[in-house]
Amino acid sequence: GAVVSQHPSWVICKSGTSVKIECRSLDFQATTMFWYRQFPKQSLMLMATSNEGSKATYEQGVEKDKFLINHASLTLSTLTVTSAHPEDSSFYICSARERGGSTEAFFGQGTRLTVV
Amino acid sequence: GQQLNQSPQSMFIQEGEDVSMNCTSSSIFNTWLWYKQDPGEGPVLLIALYKAGELTSNGRLTAQFGITRKDSFLNISASIPSDVGIYFCAGQRSGGYNKLIFGAGTRLAVHP
Repeated sequence: GAVVSQHPSWVICKSGTSVKIECRSLDFQATTMFWYRQFPKQSLMLMATSNEGSKATYEQGVEKDKFLINHASLTLSTLTVTSAHPEDSSFYICSARERGGSTEAFFGQGTRLTVV
Repeated sequence: GQQLNQSPQSMFIQEGEDVSMNCTSSSIFNTWLWYKQDPGEGPVLLIALYKAGELTSNGRLTAQFGITRKDSFLNISASIPSDVGIYFCAGQRSGGYNKLIFGAGTRLAVHP
């Protein structure tokens, strides 16, 4: 149980285009999902917290208009990187917490974004 | 963003050796979690700790929640090549959606 699936696993896009990443909880309902980015050899940095049916809460320094988050159902959250630039290239990872469950968060397999 | 102090930064050991890593914080956490991340993958939960002083094992892994609630350690006994990866501690406070704060990671290499 507690499987979180992220799609796509990797994506290459041109500068100026937008990219959508999906995060799905496959066998549980997730009221809260978290989006992280991770640069090479660094730790996970929280970008935003996504709650089903409400606006995401962004961490300080994260542009909400650039990183659009939608959590429209209890099993799906999406992160859209708008007008991507090469500096947005990174490893993006989501995690999900089960509704009414423990404090543990389960992670997706990550999405490698490369902007050329 | 805020991080925990995790050490050591990296370790290179011989197969069969025991490994120990720890995390400390200047503030209190209600939960400590230990994750392992393989290259190009998301972190996988190894052990979750919920009470101060709690000692929990998962196979060859043992982790403890410090009495002061400001630290935790993870031990790996009799290391094997597949233990290679990056180990992250994560602390959680109550409130604020219970978001996790991660350590910088310990990169483990195991020499056969």
